[in-house]
Amino acid sequence: SQQGEEDPQALSIQEGENATMNCSYKTSINNLQWYRQNSGRGLVHLILIRSNEREKHSGRLRVTLDTSKKSSSLLITASRAADTASYFCATGRYNQGGKLIFGQGTELSVKP
Amino acid sequence: EPEVTQTPSHQVTQMGQEVILRCVPISNHLYFYWYRQILGQKVEFLVSFYNNEISEKSEIFDDQFSVERPDGSNFTLKIRSTKLEDSAMYFCASSFPGQGNTGELFFGEGSRLTVL
Repeated sequence: SQQGEEDPQALSIQEGENATMNCSYKTSINNLQWYRQNSGRGLVHLILIRSNEREKHSGRLRVTLDTSKKSSSLLITASRAADTASYFCATGRYNQGGKLIFGQGTELSVKP
Repeated sequence: EPEVTQTPSHQVTQMGQEVILRCVPISNHLYFYWYRQILGQKVEFLVSFYNNEISEKSEIFDDQFSVERPDGSNFTLKIRSTKLEDSAMYFCASSFPGQGNTGELFFGEGSRLTVL
């Protein structure tokens, strides 16, 4: 089954605006992580939220997790052109060898 | 800051040839992974490796694939007989085991494999 489906698939905003990306998943999880990928580059970890947490902040990032709806959102406030990248959610479950299941990603474009 | 390094950055090979992709994980990490990303698509889990053996593998990771940690620093992915559909970006990652052995992954910059 698919796990970690993001929407929208693509998002275009102006610098200074907020960007919200959503992720849904199907099976139970122990944590959900968000990663960023600049074009042609590796993935960079942004934030991890555990299944018993509802909200987490890191700088301009705010992540929420609703396990009853099996969904998460990533909010980037006061976006910058340098935030232009693809953003992926990834779900993890205990004792599965550390593997993460990634979603399709949201391609964010921030115009100066 | 410690990082995961991968070589080569790009490899072009003929269908049916063997390919070895190399990775140097972060030194104190204990879990090692290979993921792949076909152009424009999502990142797919291939295999995780812990304590010198495969911990988890996906359906993609069939008998054509193998992993090895030949020494204390390198982690390799071998594709025995490449197919056209193996063309993708291959990412190595490593992690220090977190709670329940799941935590933040540190990724390399990837090795782009093109099979002709």
